[in-house]
Amino acid sequence: DQQVKQNSPSLSVQEGRISILNCDYTNSMFDYFLWYKKYPAEGPTFLISISSIKDKNEDGRFTVFLNKSAKHLSLHIVPSQPGDSAVYFCAASLGNSGNTPLVFGKGTRLSVIA
Amino acid sequence: NAGVMQNPRHLVRRRGQEARLRCSPMKGHSHVYWYRQLPEEGLKFMVYLQKENIIDESGMPKERFSAEFPKEGPSILRIQQVVRGDSAAYFCASSPPVGMNTEAFFGQGTRLTVV
Repeated sequence: DQQVKQNSPSLSVQEGRISILNCDYTNSMFDYFLWYKKYPAEGPTFLISISSIKDKNEDGRFTVFLNKSAKHLSLHIVPSQPGDSAVYFCAASLGNSGNTPLVFGKGTRLSVIA
Repeated sequence: NAGVMQNPRHLVRRRGQEARLRCSPMKGHSHVYWYRQLPEEGLKFMVYLQKENIIDESGMPKERFSAEFPKEGPSILRIQQVVRGDSAAYFCASSPPVGMNTEAFFGQGTRLTVV
């Protein structure tokens, strides 16, 4: 049973435009959410996170939005750059931080076209 | 994430052999997590350890898999009598002691191939 779902396996975006990656979850007990970026043959790299008590967190070009009632979060990247091309994983935690076991989605492969 | 060191990066084992995967956490990190990624899948949690303690092993297969994080030395994920279905990327992550707004940092993974 997939508790964290990323329904778009892939996404292509023009350089300079906005990339929007979506994530849905089913477990209302999740308290903390994270986005990781992964290049081939490397480990995931932490990107940005959000606590369930917030609805938005911003860090430079990256913004994460959380809609608790819809059990939905999204990652916005603007402007998108070719170096953003990677697989993006949404992850959720039952704890109040990211240093507890995480439940990952299957990932969305983002391609930013120059 | 370069601070979490995993070795080997690639490991080939024949069916029935043992696989040992090592993970040295980042300096100052006392928590280690192991995840497995099958092709085209997300990462699946396996086990969470602190020094000399298994905190949560709810994601570990019941047989053939074991993990340890001794007082000295790296964390070890051990797979006995490997089968083809064990072929996957195994990632280790480490984090500081539990606290607000901290994240786990991942190593580069060990790619296990069972032939």
